[in-house]
Amino acid sequence: AQTVTQSQPEMSVQEAETVTLSCTYDTSESDYYLFWYKQPPSRQMILVIRQEAYKQQNATENRFSVNFQKAAKSFSLKISDSQLGDAAMYFCALDGGSQGNLIFGKGTKLSVKP
Amino acid sequence: NAGVTQTPKFQVLKTGQSMTLQCAQDMNHEYMSWYRQDPGMGLRLIHYSVGAGITDQGEVPNGYNVSRSTTEDFPLRLLSAAPSQTSVYFCASGDTGVPTIQYFGAGTRLSVL
Repeated sequence: AQTVTQSQPEMSVQEAETVTLSCTYDTSESDYYLFWYKQPPSRQMILVIRQEAYKQQNATENRFSVNFQKAAKSFSLKISDSQLGDAAMYFCALDGGSQGNLIFGKGTKLSVKP
Repeated sequence: NAGVTQTPKFQVLKTGQSMTLQCAQDMNHEYMSWYRQDPGMGLRLIHYSVGAGITDQGEVPNGYNVSRSTTEDFPLRLLSAAPSQTSVYFCASGDTGVPTIQYFGAGTRLSVL
């Protein structure tokens, strides 16, 4: 079975500081994809960043970057220069090759303090 | 651009009632799916479809039916609602690229009393 684990139910960061959200996963597939989704209070699911397992280079999207450790099956999200608008639930998700179906972690609620 | 449209946004049902959650996409995506989100549980896959006329079960399919008669629409039917189906429901669509990038609707909050 494929699983995704987010061990931090809640995190807090000061505005303009950096925060890292953790995610570990388990899959027997050799080729897979990992995603971070953001869910603000509006409830809309927004794709933040994605990583392809066969790529060694960590993905980066503006202030968002990942630390992908394939051997450790770890996929953390780093948010730099945190902004008030970053406050949201963040979900880590795995596409383990099952026709695009996503397996989600339970989420981390991020608060940003002004 | 409409993207993925879900209706209704909110619904209250009584136990035993039936209803259909509507989902439509205008991006010509082959892949569509339904997830439910419960507190502390993340999102879990209910049913999915990889094209018109093709549907399959996800992780939590019991109590739900789907059909896919057109590329655009993927309704989710609750035949006899139960309190355990109180949840937020998300529809998503994606192309058949690798990986499949999924685009989500705004969700439907359903309460079953």
